[in-house]
Amino acid sequence: NAGVMQNPRHLVRRRGQEARLRCSPMKGHSHVYWYRQLPEEGLKFMVYLQKENIIDESGMPKERFSAEFPKEGPSILRIQQVVRGDSAAYFCASSPPKLAGGPPNEQFFGPGTRLTVL
Amino acid sequence: AQSVTQLGSHVSVSEGALVLLRCNYSSSVPPYLFWYVQYPNQGLQLLLKYTSAATLVKGINGFEAEFKKSETSFHLTKPSAHMSDAAEYFCAVSMGGAQKLVFGQGTRLTINP
Repeated sequence: NAGVMQNPRHLVRRRGQEARLRCSPMKGHSHVYWYRQLPEEGLKFMVYLQKENIIDESGMPKERFSAEFPKEGPSILRIQQVVRGDSAAYFCASSPPKLAGGPPNEQFFGPGTRLTVL
Repeated sequence: AQSVTQLGSHVSVSEGALVLLRCNYSSSVPPYLFWYVQYPNQGLQLLLKYTSAATLVKGINGFEAEFKKSETSFHLTKPSAHMSDAAEYFCAVSMGGAQKLVFGQGTRLTINP
């Protein structure tokens, strides 16, 4: 049973280009989360999605960032017109659906995509 | 708003010594608490979690943590450090059962031979 897959592992972009980060959740998991880790900082929540639906995007920057999790295929985090401040490690996690009223499910993390903006 | 504070961005202990990593949280509702470990260039792995059952929680690799409501703390301990414990450790909180996790800044643990 493969874990959470992320690709690419390393991505280099020049300022103004677009970055697309992909995440394939664990088998049987229908919920995906994206977190960003800036150098020397902890992870910051960005967005929580289930297939074809955004559940919580309270951590997403208002501009240039978008995320989707289509019915078929991986989840995509898209950053348009990248700037140097976007350089970070982006982690994806997945979990099964949470039962109403129950504790949060464990999130299983991928190895991350390290984005460098030149 | 919920928050997590990890006291000490770097902790260094000798092999075989006690490991103590501190985590305090702020919450207006009962929290769910987690400790994750991150090895270099890897994703996060769950060490243990508190979900309102026993206040002393045992995890993998000999780690345990105790939830103390009166102190709003969830400190991570291990009686005897091993070289393989060298990594970054993150405390995280979920408020009210929400799936969104709020992470602390992390503590880098170094083990001296």
